[in-house]
Amino acid sequence: TQLLEQSPQFLSIQEGENLTVYCNSSSVFSSLQWYRQEPGEGPVLLVTVVTGGEVKKLKRLTFQFGDARKDSSLHITAAQPGDTGLYLCAPTDSWGKLQFGAGTQVVVTP
Amino acid sequence: NAGVTQTPKFQVLKTGQSMTLQCAQDMNHNSMYWYRQDPGMGLRLIYYSASEGTTDKGEVPNGYNVSRLNKREFSLRLESAAPSQTSVYFCASSEWSRAANEKLFFGSGTQLSVL
Repeated sequence: TQLLEQSPQFLSIQEGENLTVYCNSSSVFSSLQWYRQEPGEGPVLLVTVVTGGEVKKLKRLTFQFGDARKDSSLHITAAQPGDTGLYLCAPTDSWGKLQFGAGTQVVVTP
Repeated sequence: NAGVTQTPKFQVLKTGQSMTLQCAQDMNHNSMYWYRQDPGMGLRLIYYSASEGTTDKGEVPNGYNVSRLNKREFSLRLESAAPSQTSVYFCASSEWSRAANEKLFFGSGTQLSVL
């Protein structure tokens, strides 16, 4: 199992602020997914990134895959209370094995 | 749109008791999974079933058994529950397993406490 680190572990911000969370490993990923999990629910897929350097946007969320495919970031612009949740990165290795990070808990207060 | 349905939602067991967690999906998916989620450790794969009739161990299979009853249903059994199995359990499904960019659909989880 490759070492996978998500940072920060917890982030509390006010509505309207921006935030960035990170997913890092020493291993190269073939692809990487980001999921969001709300309290009492299972994770829901937000995006999949495949190509090194790839940037994908989903409304106010911007996802970036590192050039070397070892890291990824999620940036939220003008956060809203509805963005509150646990953000999980889930890379896939070259053998197709999917692994989940421990997640970043984001709390956006009005 | 039911998706992935898990039962029960909550369960409290005494050490040594047994129970079965039920999972069903209505998306005609081939692959199904059982994960456990513990604070600070992310989701860890217990068992998975790539297709009907097959099951394989994941990262943390000890103390668990699974049954792929049919294409829709995948159950997880704890034969003799231990406090270390206190966790939130998630069932998930996908069209195929270990395929590039495969999207997992999760149930809403079972909160299990073993006293």
